[in-house]
Amino acid sequence: DTEVTQTPKHLVMGMTNKKSLKCEQHMGHRAMYWYKQKAKKPPELMFVYSYEKLSINESVPSRFSPECPNSSLLNLHLHALQPEDSALYLCASSQEAGGSSPLHFGNGTRLTVT
Amino acid sequence: GEDVEQSLFLSVREGDSSVINCTYTDSSSTYLYWYKQEPGAGLQLLTYIFSNMDMKQDQRLTVLLNKKDKHLSLRIADTQTGDSAIYFCAEKDSGAGSYQLTFGKGTKLSVIP
Repeated sequence: DTEVTQTPKHLVMGMTNKKSLKCEQHMGHRAMYWYKQKAKKPPELMFVYSYEKLSINESVPSRFSPECPNSSLLNLHLHALQPEDSALYLCASSQEAGGSSPLHFGNGTRLTVT
Repeated sequence: GEDVEQSLFLSVREGDSSVINCTYTDSSSTYLYWYKQEPGAGLQLLTYIFSNMDMKQDQRLTVLLNKKDKHLSLRIADTQTGDSAIYFCAEKDSGAGSYQLTFGKGTKLSVIP
């Protein structure tokens, strides 16, 4: 069982919809991450939050908007997505953002944009 | 920049040992991780090692590091059908401000009953 919980597990949305992905961890980790994974590819980093502040934005289009309401929660707000945005979206957390802290991943949200 | 290479496929018989190989290029001190991904699931952290170590063992898993050749291997003893998955090697610079985890393309392990 993963200690990083993501909801929903599956999401189908149209290109004009607004939806949100949610992630929660209760391990006391101070860094949280969003990754995007396309089929048969490794995960690609999107955003990093460290101590609830956005530290890294890997040139992600503005139709993806992250939010970190507190140290345990991470959201990803979606608006006006394209079909090519269909992917597995993975949340991860680590003790700290740098150094040796390994990342712990959730089971992901499988997003389909129609 | 960092680059991590892995072979894409490995097939073994149940009960045999599996060895998954990885090479990396980062020249500075680095942490090296192994993750397992089963179909439809996220990434499960299996183990990790610092680049100044040679070996780490955890139950059926043994990680060997050849620092000179920048070669990392994951050995799974007594491989079971439940070990069928994609295994990702990943590296991260040890610096305090380093966020980027560089993944290999993943090795798909198939276990034949």
